[in-house]
Amino acid sequence: GAVVSQHPSWVICKSGTSVKIECRSLDFQATTMFWYRQFPKQSLMLMATSNEGSKATYEQGVEKDKFLINHASLTLSTLTVTSAHPEDSSFYICSARVSSGIDTQYFGPGTRLTVL
Amino acid sequence: AQRVTQPEKLLSVFKGAPVELKCNYSYSGSPELFWYVQYSRQRLQLLLRHISRESIKGFTADLNKGETSFHLKKPFAQEEDSAMYYCALLYSSASKIIFGSGTRLSIRP
Repeated sequence: GAVVSQHPSWVICKSGTSVKIECRSLDFQATTMFWYRQFPKQSLMLMATSNEGSKATYEQGVEKDKFLINHASLTLSTLTVTSAHPEDSSFYICSARVSSGIDTQYFGPGTRLTVL
Repeated sequence: AQRVTQPEKLLSVFKGAPVELKCNYSYSGSPELFWYVQYSRQRLQLLLRHISRESIKGFTADLNKGETSFHLKKPFAQEEDSAMYYCALLYSSASKIIFGSGTRLSIRP
């Protein structure tokens, strides 16, 4: 089946630094990827929709200058948390959409970000 | 507005007992609904979707448009069913998935 990977699986950084998270579709091409944020014991909240070759679409309340998304190829999307602060600490999950046949999304394993 | 509601944060049942995880939705169009499961320390994975009308691991879910519900059911719970379950709605015009708040299912031996 379709596999989505994320790198790194966890990262600890100092406040004020930037962190890049990669999301890759390993065995299929994904024109659309999604970035979610999950706080402990809470549901997934969609942050943005990442479209290959175009600007990402951000959900209401998500700062696009804070969370930079780049989808430069059909198998890679990146999320950069700029000038990270402790309140950005969370679990970030990406998904990749397969549009052939039944529209399906496959999820990555997530990246745990801790900002000190 | 599109919304998915899972009223129960935690559901605890004994092994062998029936399970029903509740899900209600609000959507102006024709809904496409899913159940996702997240086992401990694993990624989110699709359990079933209503258009497939399939049964996975003994779970079924029927879309009831009149009651705007998509409850997940299993007649006999097993210990390995313990996990976090999310009901989700596909917002088709944007291909976005909206998740409910999730229900933690705990199966007691």
